[in-house]
Amino acid sequence: EVVLTQSPGTLSLSPGERATLSCRASQSVSSTYLAWYQQKPGQAPRLLIYGTSSRATGIPDRFSGSGSGTDFTLTISRLEPEDFAVYYCQQYGTTPWTFGQGTKVEIK
Amino acid sequence: EVQVVQSGAEVKKPGESLKISCKGSGYSFASYWIAWVRQMPGKGLEWMGIIYPGDSDTRYSPSFQGQVTISADKSISTAYLQWSSLKASDTAIYYCARHGGGHSHWGQGTLVTVSS
Repeated sequence: EVVLTQSPGTLSLSPGERATLSCRASQSVSSTYLAWYQQKPGQAPRLLIYGTSSRATGIPDRFSGSGSGTDFTLTISRLEPEDFAVYYCQQYGTTPWTFGQGTKVEIK
Repeated sequence: EVQVVQSGAEVKKPGESLKISCKGSGYSFASYWIAWVRQMPGKGLEWMGIIYPGDSDTRYSPSFQGQVTISADKSISTAYLQWSSLKASDTAIYYCARHGGGHSHWGQGTLVTVSS
C-alpha cells in the first residue's frame, strides 16, 4: 500500500499569504495519478487538482500543483478567506488508492 | 449536469445490517468508477473501495475487505455499500464519488450512527 504523508499538519497563515503544502509518498507515484482535495467543515470534499497539476473545473488559478516521483506540492498563491480548510492528497495509480492524513490551513 | 446523490442518514444498533445507496445522473453511469470513502468523526478520509458499474469489477482496500460489500445496479444508475453486522466503530460519514481524473463528483455523504 502506498502511504502518503502530508506536512505540515497545520499551517497558520494570514489572508494574502502563500501556502505550500507537501505530500510525500512511500513509493513512486505516477504523476498522472496524484490528486488534491479541499474539505470545509460539514461539506463533502472537492477536487482541486488531478494528474499532479491539472486544475479541476471551476478551480481558480491561485491553486497549483507540482511534483513527481515521491514528492508533490499544492501551492495556493494568495490565500483568500474561503481557502481556509483541510487539504488532502490522494494517489490513484495503485490499489488500494490512498489519501494522506490532511493538512489544515488555518487563519493566523 | 453530473449529480451524485446519496441516501439519507441512518441510525442502527450493533449487529444490524445496512445498505446505503449512491445514485448518479447526468452522465453514463456504467462508464465511470464509483468510489466509497469513510470519514470517522473528526478524522481524515479513508478510501474503502471502488466499483466499475459497467461490469461490476470491484476493488477493496485491505482495511475494508470482508467488512463491507460494494455493489452496483447499472440499470438504475445506483451503487451500494452494505454491512451484514454493524459495529459501533462503523459510526462515520460515508461518501461516494464518481471517479474520472480524481474523484471529481462527490455525493453529500451519508451519516451512519451505530449505537445501542
